[in-house]
Order: sequence, then C-alpha cells, then structure tokens
Amino acid sequence: DQQVKQNSPSLSVQEGRISILNCDYTNSMFDYFLWYKKYPAEGPTFLISISSIKDKNEDGRFTVFLNKSAKHLSLHIVPSQPGDSAVYFCAASAWGNGNKLVFGAGTILRVKS
Amino acid sequence: EAGVTQFPSHSVIEKGQTVTLRCDPISGHDNLYWYRRVMGKEIKFLLHFVKESKQDESGMPNNRFLAERTGGTYSTLKVQPAELEDSGVYFCASSQAGTGNEKLFFGSGTQLSVL
Repeated sequence: DQQVKQNSPSLSVQEGRISILNCDYTNSMFDYFLWYKKYPAEGPTFLISISSIKDKNEDGRFTVFLNKSAKHLSLHIVPSQPGDSAVYFCAASAWGNGNKLVFGAGTILRVKS
Repeated sequence: EAGVTQFPSHSVIEKGQTVTLRCDPISGHDNLYWYRRVMGKEIKFLLHFVKESKQDESGMPNNRFLAERTGGTYSTLKVQPAELEDSGVYFCASSQAGTGNEKLFFGSGTQLSVL
C-alpha cells in the first residue's frame, strides 16, 4: 500500500522554464511534508519542507504548495537550471512517528540547456 | 563537518552469504535511520535508533536482518542469509535529537547485489 505517490516517473523541462513536480498522499495523519533531491551515486539531500498548517513555503527558486483537501503537494522550481537535473523524492511523516519518513518512488527531472 | 558515511559503497554477494553494512552518522546525532530503495522504487523505512536503543523497527523485512548500534555511535546492518530480493540500495540517515521533523542527513548508500 503506497501512501505517497509520485505518478510522473520523469519530467523534461527547458532551462529557464518552470518545473512542477507533483505528489499525492493517502494518509490523513501526515502532517509534515518534504522534498529531497538525489544525484546519482549520492544520498538524498533535503530541499524544502512544509507543515500541514501552511499551504505554501518558499525558499529561493523552490516553492512547495500543499493542498490538504486534495491530499496533494507540488514542488515548483523557477527558473529551472541544468544543475537541477536529479531525482526528486516527495516524503511525508506523521506527528509522533519519530521522523519516520514515507517516500514516493521519485521523479527524474531533466533540465535541458 | 563530516557527513554520514556508509561502507562499503558496493557489495556483490551470492545468495545464502552474509553481508554487513556499516553506517557512521554525523557526530552528535542521536537519531540514526536505515532505509532501503529496491529497483528504482520508493525509499522504504527499515528502522530507527535513538542512541543505542531501537525506537522503531517496524520496517525490517524479516529476521534475516539484524541492526545494531553499540555505544550509540556507528551502526551495522547484517543480512544473513542474503536472498535475491534483498538487492537494492541501503541508505543510512542521521538527525539531531529533537521533537520530530528534524532534517535527515543521508549517506551515499550501499548498493547491495545478491546473485
């Protein structure tokens, strides 16, 4: 039973344009959501997070939007750069679960120059 | 500051053999986690240590997997005997003590191939 789903295995975007990565979840107990970025042969690195009490969090070129009623979140990267090419994982956790993250399967982002 | 270190980076073993993976967390991080990614799928939680104690081992697949964290520093994950379906990338992560939602720092992982 996959509680966090990233339905797009890959996404290709032109440099300078917006990248939108999507994530859906099913567990209504999730109250904290994160995006991790992963380069080949490296571990995932934290990118941005959002608490369920917010609907938007922004950090430079990266913005995460949360729609609790739809159980959907998205990551916007504007403008996209070739160095953003990586696998992006959506993750979620529930309060009191000790940082036990539930990950999606990842979306491969390719930013073409 | 050194990050999370995992050893070995790759391991190729035959079915039935034993393999031990090691993780050195960031110094001072009480929380240590093991995760696994199989065949390009989602990264799945295996277990969580707080210092030397197992806080949550609900993700451990079966009793062929044994994790230890003696002294609350580095951790080992032993697979004995290994099966084909154990192949995947094993990630270790650590975080500081807190109330939850602390940032996890991941190691580069160990790519395990069971033939």
